[in-house]
Amino acid sequence: DAGVIQSPRHEVTEMGQEVTLRCKPISGHDYLFWYRQTMMRGLELLIYFNNNVPIDDSGMPEDRFSAKMPNASFSTLKIQPSEPRDSAVYFCASSSFGRTQETQYFGPGTRLLVL
Amino acid sequence: AQSVSQHNHHVILSEAASLELGCNYSYGGTVNLFWYVQYPGQHLQLLLKYFSGDPLVKGIKGFEAEFIKSKFSFNLRKPSVQWSDTAEYFCAVNTGTASKLTFGTGTRLQVTL
Repeated sequence: DAGVIQSPRHEVTEMGQEVTLRCKPISGHDYLFWYRQTMMRGLELLIYFNNNVPIDDSGMPEDRFSAKMPNASFSTLKIQPSEPRDSAVYFCASSSFGRTQETQYFGPGTRLLVL
Repeated sequence: AQSVSQHNHHVILSEAASLELGCNYSYGGTVNLFWYVQYPGQHLQLLLKYFSGDPLVKGIKGFEAEFIKSKFSFNLRKPSVQWSDTAEYFCAVNTGTASKLTFGTGTRLQVTL
């Protein structure tokens, strides 16, 4: 298995622009998680899905952030409009209850810089 | 809600020194416990995990962790660190019925030659 795939790996954009981050979970996994990592706040869970349905989005910082999972093999995290304080590394992770005993497998991350 | 505390924020050790990183969680019920490692510029990778059974868990690269239920602790240990162990280490917990992982703030380990 290729593991969790994220794209792009790096993104540089200007304040006010829309940013879309993409994630392909490991095939067969039914949970998908979006995290944000910054020096100041560490690793924060933004939102997670089970069977493509959002379960907990309490970590989404504000309305500028939205996440979708249209099918079992694809998810997006969108920031519109982006702000410099959104600069961070965004990780996607997936897991499968029972099969992997809740172990989350992380993707390589998207390093976002908003100027 | 559960929480995880990692009291050591930055640890510097010489090669061959022994390592112990503290992790304490707050939750009274059944928990699953994890240690993840993040090498510089890389993503998080699972080091080891505890679900049930023997409270002493062995992971990859010579790491081990001991679950002490009475102390709500899951400390990570390695008898002799190597320069290549330089990384950030995260303790995480979830409860038996939820998939959501709660991470500690991480411990940055720097191993000097």
